[in-house]
Amino acid sequence: KNEVEQSPQNLTAQEGEFITINCSYSVGISALHWLQQHPGGGIVSLFMLSSGKKKHGRLIATINIQEKHSSLHITASHPRDSAVYICAVRSSRIQGAQKLVFGQGTRLTINP
Amino acid sequence: EAGVTQSPTHLIKTRGQQATLRCSPISGHTSVYWYQQALGLGLQFLLWYDEGEERNRGNFPPRFSGRQFPNYSSELNVNALELEDSALYLCASSLVFETSGRGNEQFFGPGTRLTVL
Repeated sequence: KNEVEQSPQNLTAQEGEFITINCSYSVGISALHWLQQHPGGGIVSLFMLSSGKKKHGRLIATINIQEKHSSLHITASHPRDSAVYICAVRSSRIQGAQKLVFGQGTRLTINP
Repeated sequence: EAGVTQSPTHLIKTRGQQATLRCSPISGHTSVYWYQQALGLGLQFLLWYDEGEERNRGNFPPRFSGRQFPNYSSELNVNALELEDSALYLCASSLVFETSGRGNEQFFGPGTRLTVL
C-alpha cells in the first residue's frame, strides 16, 4: 500500500462544477503539499499545509491531522483548471528529512 | 524574481552514455531536490542537497549521483544510461530552517525530459 493515496485517479466535470480531490496518508507528517502539473510537466506548488485550511482564489485546501486526510477543492471550475493534481507529504519520522512522498496524482479534466 | 531553472529542456542519449542535468535554485534557497517522474509512474524522490552536501537519497542505484556547487546550483549525473531512465527529471528548491517541525515549501522547476534510445 502506498504511503500516500489519492482519489479519484481521474475526474471529468463540466465547467462551473465544484471539485473535490482527496488525499490520505499513512505516516506522520510535518507538512502536506498540493501540487499542480500541467501537460508538458511543469509543476506549481499550490499549497503547503500543516493544519487547518488555506484558501487561494478558487482553491481551498484542508487537512485533518488526526484522520490523516486532506482535500483540495476547486470552486467554479474552469477548463484551465485541467491538470494533474498531486498530493505530497513530508514525513516527520526522520529528523531533518525534507524529501516529499507523492501520491499518484488525480487527472482533472474540465469540459466547457 | 526568477524561479527554479533547469537545463536542458530536453536531452536525448543512447544506452550506456552519461547524462548531466543542471538546476539553479531560487535566489536565497540553499536546498535542492531532484525527483524522477517516469512514464506511467508517480514522482519519486532522488536526491536532496543542502549547503553543498548530500542530505538524503532515494531508492536509486549509485549511477545516479549529483553535486551542489557553492552558489547552490546543482547537477544530476546519470551514468551508464538504461532505457528505463527515460523520464522527466524535476528539480525543486527551498529554504531550510534549523528548527525542526517547520515545513518548507518546495518550488519546482520546469523539468528536463530525458529520452534514452
